[in-house]
Amino acid sequence: GESVGLHLPTLSVQEGDNSIINCAYSNSASDYFIWYKQESGKGPQFIIDIRSNMDKRQGQRVTVLLNKTVKHLSLQIAATQPGDSAVYFCAGGTGRRALTFGSGTRLQVQP
Amino acid sequence: DADVTQTPRNRITKTGKRIMLECSQTKGHDRMYWYRQDPGLGLRLIYYSFDVKDINKGEISDGYSVSRQAQAKFSLSLESAIPNQTALYFCATSDPSGGRQETQYFGPGTRLLVL
Repeated sequence: GESVGLHLPTLSVQEGDNSIINCAYSNSASDYFIWYKQESGKGPQFIIDIRSNMDKRQGQRVTVLLNKTVKHLSLQIAATQPGDSAVYFCAGGTGRRALTFGSGTRLQVQP
Repeated sequence: DADVTQTPRNRITKTGKRIMLECSQTKGHDRMYWYRQDPGLGLRLIYYSFDVKDINKGEISDGYSVSRQAQAKFSLSLESAIPNQTALYFCATSDPSGGRQETQYFGPGTRLLVL
């Protein structure tokens, strides 16, 4: 079955540095992937998505890279700020099936 | 997201009790989902509904049931609560017709403690 998982449970970065959060997936048939941010006490919030026919997509301060050859995607956050501290989830989807979520990476931004 | 609301936000119950968690949305989305989240784990899908007449089991449906009363309402029931159902429960909605794939919009969560 499909599974989506993250390499590192916790990532600590200095304020102002760039952050890279990684995610591996197993289902090569996934049509798209989504990154979510979950702050303490809140539900996950959409950050950015990417279709499987794309290699890269950029948003405001965030970039998602997709490498289908090794079934890996990453979320890059530029100039990380304290407000970026949260748990980040990747999720993969295929057509009518519901999303499959990874276990999450906690990003800690040090002042 | 204020467009997706969950009640109650916190609930303490005893083993064997039946409880219901409710979810309402004003986004007009056809698709609704129930997830549970446990410490150190990601979101696990319990049930999902792609429209009012469509109910599907997710990854961990045992011990749970759902009811899609209307497009805007999707409730989750624990028929006989047990301690390992202690978790944070999230409702979500999505609308694939918007062109943004299956972006899901989450409610604030319900924290459930089963004693």
